[in-house]
Amino acid sequence: DAKTTQPPSMDCAEGRAANLPCNHSTISGNEYVYWYRQIHSQGPQYIIHGLKNNETNEMASLIITEDRKSSTLILPHATLRDTAVYYCIVRVAIGNEKLTFGTGTRLTIIP
Amino acid sequence: TAGITQAPTSQILAAGRSMTLRCTQDMRHNAMYWYRQDLGLGLRLIHYSNTAGTTGKGEVPDGYSVSRANTDDFPLTLASAVPSQTSVYFCASSDSALAGVDEQFFGPGTRLTVL
Repeated sequence: DAKTTQPPSMDCAEGRAANLPCNHSTISGNEYVYWYRQIHSQGPQYIIHGLKNNETNEMASLIITEDRKSSTLILPHATLRDTAVYYCIVRVAIGNEKLTFGTGTRLTIIP
Repeated sequence: TAGITQAPTSQILAAGRSMTLRCTQDMRHNAMYWYRQDLGLGLRLIHYSNTAGTTGKGEVPDGYSVSRANTDDFPLTLASAVPSQTSVYFCASSDSALAGVDEQFFGPGTRLTVL
């Protein structure tokens, strides 16, 4: 699976959009981009995933660049409950279900 | 819906003792996983099972064994615990039959301390 690079930490003001970047310059054509988050002491939680098109769900939006070498997770209106470690993971969807977690980005929402 | 449960919540174990961490899911997912999480290292895959009756080794399998006798249960056994196995252990499951999805659902974790 392709490696990812994320900033170790970020702050965001409550109510503002949180934009979390991820670089995955060695991503292969059949690899998806997944985002998970882990709130303190809890198990990781799936947020969103995409292949090459931008995606949106009730939690977040995922913007993938045209060359697929980077992506951005957007939390449109961050709340204090969004404080967590966010993991960007790239992997093929079929035939290799294992997730490889890096160290992620620790996002702190500031009141 | 219970989802995925783990037991015990926490445990203190003497070195050299054996222990089984339990994991049960009620979502009929075919794939299950065990991860450990240590400070500063993120989550690392220990063992996985793509379907009942099969298992595979992850990134850090040494000192651990698993079995998958049925779809719902995926116990993790430490035959002879060592202090380096002190960690938080997460079990997860996914329905890998859904192409392009494979959302993994995680349990609440088991905090294990080996003294």
